[in-house]
Amino acid sequence: AQKITQTQPGMFVQEKEAVTLDCTYDTSDQSYGLFWYKQPSSGEMIFLIYQGSYDEQNATEGRYSLNFQKARKSANLVISASQLGDSAMYFCAMREGLDQGAQKLVFGQGTRLTINP
Amino acid sequence: GAGVSQSPRYKVTKRGQDVALRCDPISGHVSLYWYRQALGQGPEFLTYFNYEAQQDKSGLPNDRFSAERPEGSISTLTIQRTEQRDSAMYRCASSLMGQGGGYTFGSGTRLTVV
Repeated sequence: AQKITQTQPGMFVQEKEAVTLDCTYDTSDQSYGLFWYKQPSSGEMIFLIYQGSYDEQNATEGRYSLNFQKARKSANLVISASQLGDSAMYFCAMREGLDQGAQKLVFGQGTRLTINP
Repeated sequence: GAGVSQSPRYKVTKRGQDVALRCDPISGHVSLYWYRQALGQGPEFLTYFNYEAQQDKSGLPNDRFSAERPEGSISTLTIQRTEQRDSAMYRCASSLMGQGGGYTFGSGTRLTVV
């Protein structure tokens, strides 16, 4: 079974609109972490945001926020006021366990976001 | 160094040859990870180290793949008797051990087996 599911292979959004990228996950652990990465056409992997399973508040980093719905096992990325530079591939990832021995990240298939001017 | 450094950036090799991919993590980062990313796909875990100890190698596809980090810093991923299906981007990442936040990825090595 897929641990991380990103159901949107591609999304097209007008500049300045908000966009939500979907991510659902599957785990039986109570302790886990959720990550979002951005991969522009240059190929680098850029860390955007992190949410721990025990964090009560949704994580926010500038224009990025993570809509964490634990009961639904959902960790959607919200980008507010999208910019042309946001066009990239976006990956959701999970780390099961939060202790020092649990460090493997499992990635989803990604969503290609295109921002139109 | 300032970031995770991988070399070479590109490697073209003939089928059946061995290749060694190098990763130099951020100074002070205890944990080092290897991932493989096929075109249009998410990164796939291969193995990781804490210091010099290989903690998990469950993602290595078969025994042609091995990794080492003898002094707890630079790591080498070796692929023996390469096959065309080994062609991919190989990415290294590093982090402080147990870090709750993100891991820092290198630019990767694009391996092409012809």
